Amino acid sequence: AQSVTQPDIHITVSEGASLELRCNYSYGATPYLFWYVQSPGQGLQLLLKYFSGDTLVQGIKGFEAEFKRSQSSFNLRKPSVHWSDAAEYFCAVGAANNNDMRFGAGTRLTVKP
Amino acid sequence: EAGVAQSPRYKIIEKRQSVAFWCNPISGHATLYWYQQILGQGPKLLIQFQNNGVVDDSQLPKDRFSAERLKGVDSTLKIQPAKLEDSAVYLCASSSRGGFTGELFFGEGSRLTVL
Repeated sequence: AQSVTQPDIHITVSEGASLELRCNYSYGATPYLFWYVQSPGQGLQLLLKYFSGDTLVQGIKGFEAEFKRSQSSFNLRKPSVHWSDAAEYFCAVGAANNNDMRFGAGTRLTVKP
Repeated sequence: EAGVAQSPRYKIIEKRQSVAFWCNPISGHATLYWYQQILGQGPKLLIQFQNNGVVDDSQLPKDRFSAERLKGVDSTLKIQPAKLEDSAVYLCASSSRGGFTGELFFGEGSRLTVL
């Protein structure tokens, strides 16, 4: 079965600084990869997804992520963080041959003024 | 367009009591999921419905958890009897296609505390 590892439990960045959240996955075939964001007291919202094709995908709110098969990674990036980006970020992996989408444990982002 | 609705938002019960959570997915979405999110962990799939049929319930603790989706719309998740380790947020999500190809739309969750 597929699995996801998010190595960083908590990250703090200053407003305006760049951001990279790490995600590593384990799956034998081509994975479907997702990043979701969860604001306090809210449900999860999809930021972006990768199925195939261009390995650099653009999402909402200025986020992008790059799929690197050789590193089994799908890191999330943003060039300039805004205070409203403070939230919990979840990487997830799905597979074509089952219906289960596995989520990582999440990375909590704190934005300093 | 209305989002995924869940109730109640918060519930506190004592162990061995029962509890039920309700979910109303986005209109027209055929696929409905229940996830359990324990504090500090990512969501874990409990059960997936396609219309009113179960697609995957392999991670549902069937000795105490049950779920149904009558008429392929609303769904109810029940826990009976509850254990301390069931304290978590129960997330309902829906999608118009299977989760691995489509976007999942999540409700705000139902937070359960078992004392």
